[in-house]
Amino acid sequence: SQQGEEDPQALSIQEGENATMNCSYKTSINNLQWYRQNSGRGLVHLILIRSNEREKHSGRLRVTLDTSKKSSSLLITASRAADTASYFCATDKGNKLVFGAGTILRVKS
Amino acid sequence: EPEVTQTPSHQVTQMGQEVILRCVPISNHLYFYWYRQILGQKVEFLVSFYNNEISEKSEIFDDQFSVERPDGSNFTLKIRSTKLEDSAMYFCASTLQGSSYNEQFFGPGTRLTVL
Repeated sequence: SQQGEEDPQALSIQEGENATMNCSYKTSINNLQWYRQNSGRGLVHLILIRSNEREKHSGRLRVTLDTSKKSSSLLITASRAADTASYFCATDKGNKLVFGAGTILRVKS
Repeated sequence: EPEVTQTPSHQVTQMGQEVILRCVPISNHLYFYWYRQILGQKVEFLVSFYNNEISEKSEIFDDQFSVERPDGSNFTLKIRSTKLEDSAMYFCASTLQGSSYNEQFFGPGTRLTVL
């Protein structure tokens, strides 16, 4: 089974709009992390939410976690063109991270 | 702000050649990792390293791969005899106490192209 699957696969919005990306996973976790990847570049850590947390904020980012549904969402408010990137959720499995396929976000100016 | 660094940023090699990818993890981190991302695909775990030994490896990490921490700062991934399918972006990552507790911080990656 796949761990950390995001939807939608691709999202295109206008600058200023909010973007919501979802992630589902299969097994129990200690934490869930969100990363951003600009095209062909490295992975930038955005936020970590622990299994006993329900919501976390960081600047324009809001992450929620519902362990009963084994799902998480990443909300980017007031999007900017610079937010254009791929966004991945990753869950801990033992001592490693398991990544989903990612959501490609395009913010049009 | 401390960061993970990787060299080279791009490596081109002929099939069958050995390559060594280098990483300098964040200085006080204890756990080190290699991941790879084939173009257009997911980021995949290769190996984790703690206390100078491999703590976990994936089925991708076969006998052609090895890791080493030759000194107190560098962490290397060696591929002995590269294959075309080894072409990918290779990411090094480090964390303070392990993935169950802390963020993993990733380097910018090395793009390996095997011809």
